[in-house]
Amino acid sequence: DTAVSQTPKYLVTQMGNDKSIKCEQNLGHDTMYWYKQDSKKFLKIMFSYNNKELIINETVPNRFSPKSPDKAHLNLHINSLELGDSAVYFCASSQDVRLSGDNYGYTFGSGTRLTVV
Amino acid sequence: QKEVEQNSGPLSVPEGAIASLNCTYSDRGSQSFFWYRQYSGKSPELIMFIYSNGDKEDGRFTAQLNKASQYVSLLIRDSQPSDSATYLCAVNRDNFNKFYFGSGTKLNVKP
Repeated sequence: DTAVSQTPKYLVTQMGNDKSIKCEQNLGHDTMYWYKQDSKKFLKIMFSYNNKELIINETVPNRFSPKSPDKAHLNLHINSLELGDSAVYFCASSQDVRLSGDNYGYTFGSGTRLTVV
Repeated sequence: QKEVEQNSGPLSVPEGAIASLNCTYSDRGSQSFFWYRQYSGKSPELIMFIYSNGDKEDGRFTAQLNKASQYVSLLIRDSQPSDSATYLCAVNRDNFNKFYFGSGTKLNVKP
């Protein structure tokens, strides 16, 4: 199936721990993203990678570090987890709007619900 | 001021009625506009996109864009209970790889 797949779907962990979320897409897209959705459903961009290059880095604590080994994968590592990090994290992908001129929006992964206790 | 504003709802409509969802945006340079549907506990899925002023129809869905007034709306005709979800408006400005989302409008379609 063509899709954006994220693992794990649920993540419950204690404060202070380090955790990673993995994302893979087989849509042939060259741009991938991490978004955070809070309890009020507000989706806010965190990072964007284009062909393994970081192109968007919003105001996100240094504890969050994305890594893109290739254009089909984008992982998110979080150090020293805090209670406020609890949210749903979505990976997404799209074609590079700057090159294609076409803009068909994102395809989202299924999300990772992170709960820090 | 937020980039994209939506009424959080809930918006309740009876089955078979027209549901009207609205969204305003702050940047006049915005170029592309999207509507996503998100069921509870699921990821957002793209319903429609619109680039030009006017209406764009796809089945029971019609997106309307008015760049002069900086609003975009989504009409759902013959609303069904399965349309009950949160609808997110997203705006892309400057043709860059960054979308701004509204916080969504929750729609309830009552049988």
